[in-house]
Amino acid sequence: QQQVKQSPQSLIVQKGGISIINCAYENTAFDYFPWYQQFPGKGPALLIAIRPDVSEKKEGRFTISFNKSAKQFSLHIMDSQPGDSATYFCAASNWEDQFYFGTGTSLTVIP
Amino acid sequence: DAGITQSPRYKITETGRQVTLMCHQTWSHSYMFWYRQDLGHGLRLIYYSAAADITDKGEVPDGYVVSRSKTENFPLTLESATRSQTSVYFCASTSTRGMVNEQFFGPGTRLTVL
Repeated sequence: QQQVKQSPQSLIVQKGGISIINCAYENTAFDYFPWYQQFPGKGPALLIAIRPDVSEKKEGRFTISFNKSAKQFSLHIMDSQPGDSATYFCAASNWEDQFYFGTGTSLTVIP
Repeated sequence: DAGITQSPRYKITETGRQVTLMCHQTWSHSYMFWYRQDLGHGLRLIYYSAAADITDKGEVPDGYVVSRSKTENFPLTLESATRSQTSVYFCASTSTRGMVNEQFFGPGTRLTVL
């Protein structure tokens, strides 16, 4: 059973556009929601993360929107660049406990 | 080198053989994890460890064995490899600093079982 559901599976965006990736979870005990970015041939790396006590977190062009009541969170990439082309994973955890990852979204930004 | 390393980076083996994937971290992080990455499934947790000599099953533990005699090492063994275990395997360790709980991933091991 997939603890965290992620969509879309793949996404193609024009340079300068907005990329949006969505995730949903069921377990209300989750209290930490990170996003990871993975380039081909590399391991995933932390991009940005949010705790459920805030509804939005922004770091540069990357923003997480969090809806606790709907048990959903999303990643917005503003002014998308070709260098953002990668696979993005959302995740959820109970802090130091195991992470549950989504199935990943392959983002392609067209120049 | 500081960080988390995995070896080998690539491995081809045959069905029924035993294979051990190595993972080493230099940070002395308490928690370590093994994942497999398959298209359409994302990252699935195989086993994790909260400290030396403490291990626990993840989502897909069948066919795998782990040990952790030292904090810095967390080897993963496939006792009798099967074709369904062809995958990319990632080791990770966790650092908790303030409000950030970050998993650091190794570069991965691409395993092919023929």
